[in-house]
Amino acid sequence: EAGVVQSPRYKIIEKKQPVAFWCNPISGHNTLYWYRQNLGQGPELLIRYENEEAVDDSQLPKDRFSAERLKGVDSTLKIQPAELGDSAVYLCASSLRSGMIYEQYFGPGTRLTVT
Amino acid sequence: QQQVKQSPQSLIVQKGGISIINCAYENTAFDYFPWYQQFPGKGPALLIAIRPDVSEKKEGRFTISFNKSAKQFSLHIMDSQPGDSATYFCAATYPSGTYKYIFGTGTRLKVLA
Repeated sequence: EAGVVQSPRYKIIEKKQPVAFWCNPISGHNTLYWYRQNLGQGPELLIRYENEEAVDDSQLPKDRFSAERLKGVDSTLKIQPAELGDSAVYLCASSLRSGMIYEQYFGPGTRLTVT
Repeated sequence: QQQVKQSPQSLIVQKGGISIINCAYENTAFDYFPWYQQFPGKGPALLIAIRPDVSEKKEGRFTISFNKSAKQFSLHIMDSQPGDSATYFCAATYPSGTYKYIFGTGTRLKVLA
């Protein structure tokens, strides 16, 4: 079974430029998460999707960040314009309910560097 | 109340030794506590998890000890191996409909050969 796929793996951009990240979750997983992981920190949730619906986007900086999950499968996270503080690893995860628990499976992440 | 405090920040252990990583939480609504292992350049991978209705869970060389009254839980890695060198994150969540994971800050483990 293929894991969570993310691209690109690395991205270097200048501040004020736009950037987009793509995620393909594990087949059959209807819940998809985007996290941001700063250096030396644990992941922090940005947005969670149940199928096509964004059910928790309370931590998403909506002035510059946007996300979509068309057809309830792949997802794209966009930043426009990027700021220096956006440099981080952006992780995508997906989950399938196991009893009462949603066990989350992470992709390898996209390392963003904003210069 | 949303924080999960993890310690130590880094840990060096000799091969064959026991690695112990501790986490503490405040929110008593949390009822699922996973540990994740992350290698450089990789995403976190689920290692082991526990519900608060048990005090200990063991899977191979990895054991979670859970102290509900103290609101603490720990990961023990027995017979630590150089291949265990990675960053370990504890997390907590609760099935209130958010399924939001609150992660600790991570522990960088190095096992010396």
